[in-house]
Amino acid sequence: QKEVEQDPGPLSVPEGAIVSLNCTYSNSAFQYFMWYRQYSRKGPELLMYTYSSGNKEDGRFTAQVDKSSKYISLFIRDSQPSDSATYLCATSRGSTLGRLYFGRGTQLTVWP
Amino acid sequence: NAGVTQTPKFQVLKTGQSMTLQCAQDMNHNSMYWYRQDPGMGLRLIYYSASEGTTDKGEVPNGYNVSRLNKREFSLRLESAAPSQTSVYFCASGGQTPQETQYFGPGTRLLVL
Repeated sequence: QKEVEQDPGPLSVPEGAIVSLNCTYSNSAFQYFMWYRQYSRKGPELLMYTYSSGNKEDGRFTAQVDKSSKYISLFIRDSQPSDSATYLCATSRGSTLGRLYFGRGTQLTVWP
Repeated sequence: NAGVTQTPKFQVLKTGQSMTLQCAQDMNHNSMYWYRQDPGMGLRLIYYSASEGTTDKGEVPNGYNVSRLNKREFSLRLESAAPSQTSVYFCASGGQTPQETQYFGPGTRLLVL
């Protein structure tokens, strides 16, 4: 079993929709939770991170972690065609960052 | 400030040939990583270096070797390339705080015939 599971999609939504992207993880030692965005033929770039449980908001993006169910979510409000990309969740053990464990990524297309 | 740079951007090899992928970072990060990305498989860690002078195996180390040349540079070597090593290779560097979590290079596309 992979440390982090993520539905690869693809997911296709109309512009303006609310998008929900999800991951589950297996190890309760994971403390940091990240979301990376990867445009086609580019390297991944960090979108958001959270520590332990709770929500974090940044503009149209909200990251949510539920440690009791080992569930990670990313919500995108008012989605735009420029949000079309692959979104990867990642986790890290311990109180300091080191090796990251990635999900397989979900491919998102937002059509006008 | 270039971030993480990788060379070459694209390479075609024949089975059995060798090559070295180069990676450099200018963010003074202690840790560096090599990943491969294949369709449907996500990012898989090949090797990583938590600090200068140390290297450790990741998920898929077979067929690869690495060298942490100094704090800035981390190279990945394929001694005898195989078609199964056709992939996109990403180098990343990172620190220990969330603000320094892994930054990725632009990738090297490798085709082994």
